Amino acid sequence: DVKVTQSSRYLVKRTGEKVFLECVQDMDHENMFWYRQDPGLGLRLIYFSYDVKMKEKGDIPEGYSVSREKKERFSLILESASTNQTSMYLCASRRDSQETQYFGPGTRLLVL
Amino acid sequence: SQQGEEDPQALSIQEGENATMNCSYKTSINNLQWYRQNSGRGLVHLILIRSNEREKHSGRLRVTLDTSKKSSSLLITASRAADTASYFCATAPFSGGYNKLIFGAGTRLAVHP
Repeated sequence: DVKVTQSSRYLVKRTGEKVFLECVQDMDHENMFWYRQDPGLGLRLIYFSYDVKMKEKGDIPEGYSVSREKKERFSLILESASTNQTSMYLCASRRDSQETQYFGPGTRLLVL
Repeated sequence: SQQGEEDPQALSIQEGENATMNCSYKTSINNLQWYRQNSGRGLVHLILIRSNEREKHSGRLRVTLDTSKKSSSLLITASRAADTASYFCATAPFSGGYNKLIFGAGTRLAVHP
């Protein structure tokens, strides 16, 4: 079974802090994704990566950056957290030869 | 941009009844996928239907796709309390490749024992 893990289930940070969310997948998938999920809005794509050191912006990249130094790990960085970044963050991965995505359990981030 | 829109937003049924959820989308697609999310957890892929398919089955799940109406439905037959979850449709736009799935806001299903 594909396993996608996220470093924290819950996180509380203060406005202005730099926040790192880590995601690791164990199935050698080429593609990795970061989404945020807000009530009534579904999932919105922040960034994705199709290879090591490669990234593309999704629909809502503002205020976020990403890093993929190793194939199995994809990090989401909030350079200066703001209260409107309080949300559920979901990581996912996908093999090139497949069309479906595999999701991690999510990180619920609260920015005070 | 939100492509998929699910209907209804919430559905409450008794165990044993069937549950039907609908999804509409706006642009041409490669495929449409349905995912399930248990409360506070990640999404789990349920079923995928390609643009050249009209119906697909997997266990108690039946998915239909009508590309002329840009809509899909997910039917869960003989529902169980364990089916209580949120269900999301996600479309892979024809021009966007498989890395730009667009998710709807979801249908919250509650199945009462």
